[in-house]
Amino acid sequence: KNEVEQSPQNLTAQEGEFITINCSYSVGISALHWLQQHPGGGIVSLFMLSSGKKKHGRLIATINIQEKHSSLHITASHPRDSAVYICAVRTPGDLYSGGGADGLTFGKGTHLIIQP
Amino acid sequence: DAMVIQNPRYQVTQFGKPVTLSCSQTLNHNVMYWYQQKSSQAPKLLFHYYDKDFNNEADTPDNFQSRRPNTSFCFLDIRSPGLGDAAMYLCATSRVRGAGGPGNEQFFGPGTRLTVL
Repeated sequence: KNEVEQSPQNLTAQEGEFITINCSYSVGISALHWLQQHPGGGIVSLFMLSSGKKKHGRLIATINIQEKHSSLHITASHPRDSAVYICAVRTPGDLYSGGGADGLTFGKGTHLIIQP
Repeated sequence: DAMVIQNPRYQVTQFGKPVTLSCSQTLNHNVMYWYQQKSSQAPKLLFHYYDKDFNNEADTPDNFQSRRPNTSFCFLDIRSPGLGDAAMYLCATSRVRGAGGPGNEQFFGPGTRLTVL
C-alpha cells in the first residue's frame, strides 16, 4: 500500500508570504492530486499531475516522479487561502490493495492558517 | 453548472437506525466513489462504482452498502450505524478509472456530516 506523507502538518504564516507544502509517497503512482478542504466543507480539487509542473493563479504544483515527491506552492498568500491542503495519489494496481487502481490514497493533510 | 451534489449536508441518526446518504452528479461520469473521513483523519475509500460494476474495498465493513440505480445517482446505506460511524462522507466522480490521465480527475461533492446519537 502506498504511504503518503505530508509536511508540515500545521503551518501558520503572515499574509503575503510564499508557502510551500510537501508530499512524498512510497510507491510509484499514475497521478497525484492536490486538494483543498475548508473547515466543515467538502473537497475541491486544485491540481492533478503525473509529471512536471502546473500553475493556476497563485498556486503552483510540481512533481518529481523519480524522487516520489511533490510540492504545492502558494504565492502572495491571503487569509482566504486558510484551509487544509491534502495530497492524494492514485497507485496502479489491483482493486484489492486498498485505495489501489481507482480510489485515492490520501495524506493526512496540512492545516494552513494565513494571518492578516 | 455541472457538479456533484450530496444530500443532506448534515444527517443525524440514532444508534442502530438505518440511514441513507445520497449523491447525484450532472457530469455524466462513469465512476462514482464514496469516502469516509473521520475527524482529523484522511479520507478513506469505502467503495466505488464503475458504471454498474460495484467494487468494495477489502476493509469496508459489511454494515456499509451502496446502490447506483442509474448514472446520476449513488446511495450509501448504513444498515446499523454505530457511534464509530460518525464521520464526513464524501462522494466523488471521475469520467474514467485506471491509469492517470485527464479523465481520472476526481470531482468531490460537499460531503454529508453524519452524527450518530
